[in-house]
Amino acid sequence: QQPVQSPQAVILREGEDAVINCSSSKALYSVHWYRQKHGEAPVFLMILLKGGEQKGHDKISASFNEKKQQSSLYLTASQLSYSGTYFCGTEIKNNYGQNFVFGPGTRLSVLP
Amino acid sequence: NAGVTQTPKFQVLKTGQSMTLQCAQDMNHEYMSWYRQDPGMGLRLIHYSVGAGITDQGEVPNGYNVSRSTTEDFPLRLLSAAPSQTSVYFCASSYSGSINEQFFGPGTRLTVL
Repeated sequence: QQPVQSPQAVILREGEDAVINCSSSKALYSVHWYRQKHGEAPVFLMILLKGGEQKGHDKISASFNEKKQQSSLYLTASQLSYSGTYFCGTEIKNNYGQNFVFGPGTRLSVLP
Repeated sequence: NAGVTQTPKFQVLKTGQSMTLQCAQDMNHEYMSWYRQDPGMGLRLIHYSVGAGITDQGEVPNGYNVSRSTTEDFPLRLLSAAPSQTSVYFCASSYSGSINEQFFGPGTRLTVL
């Protein structure tokens, strides 16, 4: 049930772009993106709801294709502060309809 | 607002011991959850609650108990600690259900010897 993320890790130079993908074998109702820096708690980036939505925050944007059951996170002109592990997450329907599962994460390293 | 707080920050237990990890939030959030994070495994949901008096199991509930007597508090109890429970534990809360942004506490690093 866990979403699949690719790549597992990526190394960039400052100013370069990156794409992180998230896909699921189950129907996706929404996709959440979080970033976690080493030794810290995950921090929310954005939520995408079904409908082909695309969102952006500064130079980080994401798309959600519910038919393909996948989402992509786009990091443009990466900054040193973008380094960390990125997790996608999604809802799993159950008794209360509010279970949640994260992908294994993509480690991003931005070098000067 | 303090947000989501967790205590203790670090804990070492011996196999078979029991303990409670504390989690509290002051944002009046209905939804609270516990995750464990192990290297290469991401965050895995242990238990969650959609409101006071209502809890349910997540992906990895075995060996853990929860209760939710108030909106603010959501303690996680380890009944008989095992080395496999060595992990970093995060508590999170959100306004209403997992559809909303989840706010994470700083985490508790637990080692079971």
